[in-house]
This record gives sequence, C-alpha cells and structure tokens, in this order.
Amino acid sequence: AQSVAQPEDQVNVAEGNPLTVKCTYSVSGNPYLFWYVQYPNRGLQFLLKYITGDNLVKGSYGFEAEFNKSQTSFHLKKPSALVSDSALYFCAVRDSGYSTLTFGKGTMLLVSP
Amino acid sequence: GAGVSQSPSNKVTEKGKDVELRCDPISGHTALYWYRQSLGQGLEFLIYFQGNSAPDKSGLPSDRFSAERTGGSVSTLTIQRTQQEDSAVYLCASSWMGELGNEQFFGPGTRLTVL
Repeated sequence: AQSVAQPEDQVNVAEGNPLTVKCTYSVSGNPYLFWYVQYPNRGLQFLLKYITGDNLVKGSYGFEAEFNKSQTSFHLKKPSALVSDSALYFCAVRDSGYSTLTFGKGTMLLVSP
Repeated sequence: GAGVSQSPSNKVTEKGKDVELRCDPISGHTALYWYRQSLGQGLEFLIYFQGNSAPDKSGLPSDRFSAERTGGSVSTLTIQRTQQEDSAVYLCASSWMGELGNEQFFGPGTRLTVL
C-alpha cells in the first residue's frame, strides 16, 4: 500500500522568513514523490518531484524539497516566504505497482506581510 | 500551449438527476486521471485511463459513477442519480504515458453541487 501524511492542516509564517511544509510517506518499494500547489478556485500546479539521485530537489518559484529515506520524509522548503506563496500545498507519492498518485490531505500555507 | 480543460466549470443539479463532466487532456498525453476533491478530504482517486488498456476503476465509489474516454483523448465522467454527498470538485489530470515519474497536469476542475 502507499500512503502519505501531511501532519499540519495549516502553517503560518511571516514574509521573508523560511518556510517548511511537512510530508511523510509509506511505500513498499521505491517512492516517487511530488509536491503540488493549489491557488483558490484553480487546479493543482506541479512544483517539483523526486525520482532518484540527489536528495535535494529544486522546483518552481524558489521551492525545494529534501528526500530523507531513513525518516521517510519529503518536506517542502523555501528560504524566504512571499505573501503570494499563500496557497494549499499537496504532497503525493507513487509506488511501483500502483497506477496513480496518493495525495495527502493538504496543508494551507498562510504568509503574513 | 493549451492545458487540460474541463467543462462545465460549475454544475448545480437536483438530487436524483444524472450529470456529465467533460475533460480535454493535453494533446499527446496518453494517461488521463479523474479525482474528486471534497472539503478537508484531499484528493480522492476515481479512475485512470492509459492508452488503449482497460481503465483502472478501483477508485470509483459506487456503480453510479462511470467514465469513458473516446479516441484516446476526451473523457466524460458520468454520475447517475446524484446524491448530496456527490457534491465536490471533480479534477481531471493528464500525463505523458503512465510512467511512475511523470508528473500530472491538472485542469481547473468542475464544481458540482447537488441540491
């Protein structure tokens, strides 16, 4: 089975401060991990993915994520948050043998001016 | 280039009526997915099409739900005898083939409200 957990419903951060949105996963094989962002009344937009290779993955809009196999985590990070980063963020995992992604329940990121 | 499009953007229907939701994937994408997004519930996988293979229907919540994909392109999700618990945003996504590492591109969704 494959599953993903986002332990925080909401993350609050001040503009200019670093941000972290947490994600942990469970798979039986090698994981393929993704982060998506959803702005109000919009579909999901792809941010970044980990397939293999370097544990630190860089993506769109200055976001990055670190794959940690021992902790089965794939936390999303950004060194300096912007108000425009405020949105709903989804982590997703795909295991070999599965047809599609399993998404977490999402974490709302609120960046205050 | 054109992204994934969905229609209608909003649909309000009465309980017991049938509804059809449409998805136009990105040209050339062979994999197509339907998801349901309910408030506070994240994304729930419904069905997956890959080329000419039999679809993976394992996520369909009941036999009132069905989907088809004509000509390997446009897909229609049909909900028969709608119930209030069917109210949600229905998202369609497509990707290059169905390989594990390929990201999915999402449409804007159809917001379904069942009165």
